[in-house]
Amino acid sequence: EIVMTQSPATLSVSPGERATLSCRASQSVSSNLAWYQQKPGQAPRLLIYGASTRATGIPARFSGSGSGTEFTLTISSLQSEDFAVYYCQQYNNWPPVYTFGQGTKLEIK
Amino acid sequence: QVTLRESGPALVKPTQTLTLTCTFSGFSLSTSGMCVSWIRQPPGKALEWLALIDWDDDKYYSTSLKTRLTISKDTSKNQVVLTMTNMDPVDTATYYCARTAPDPDAFDIWGQGTMVTVSS
Repeated sequence: EIVMTQSPATLSVSPGERATLSCRASQSVSSNLAWYQQKPGQAPRLLIYGASTRATGIPARFSGSGSGTEFTLTISSLQSEDFAVYYCQQYNNWPPVYTFGQGTKLEIK
Repeated sequence: QVTLRESGPALVKPTQTLTLTCTFSGFSLSTSGMCVSWIRQPPGKALEWLALIDWDDDKYYSTSLKTRLTISKDTSKNQVVLTMTNMDPVDTATYYCARTAPDPDAFDIWGQGTMVTVSS
């Protein structure tokens, strides 16, 4: 099973600043990597798929990069609504055995 | 508009079998490439993928839970059902169903989730 490791566990950033979240896979997942945002009491929302493609309706301040085992989610200028928990997820296997990272909590500094 | 909604018991006893239903609209699980998964999240913890069923009725399961899980679909009712046997307090979680489409082939639409507590 591919293990996804996110860092840091908690990131404190001021509104208007840039946030950079990392995700590492225990083996290559090519570009089969997604990022999700989850706010308290809500279901996760797809932000990025294919490592770098924004999902429908996602603002341009969200960007994803990386391939293989190292991935990054960047939020260029944090808005108040961006403070949440972010998960990465790999979907490289077939047959599917999907795995998520443990999450990064993005909090207001 | 694509929507999914989970339903099932809020409380089950240890050793019982849990049955959850995902009722969806706005797409057909007969369409090539469409899949529905179940994913769970214990309180304050990370997401865990459980099972997937695809348009061709192929079924896939979490390696660690495969002996306890069964996923099925009723295309005419637009429903996907998950059963989990031998429930334990560690299975207490919010259970989500989510769609995967050919593009994007990630979980693009989620239900709101249903909280299941396992307690005697």
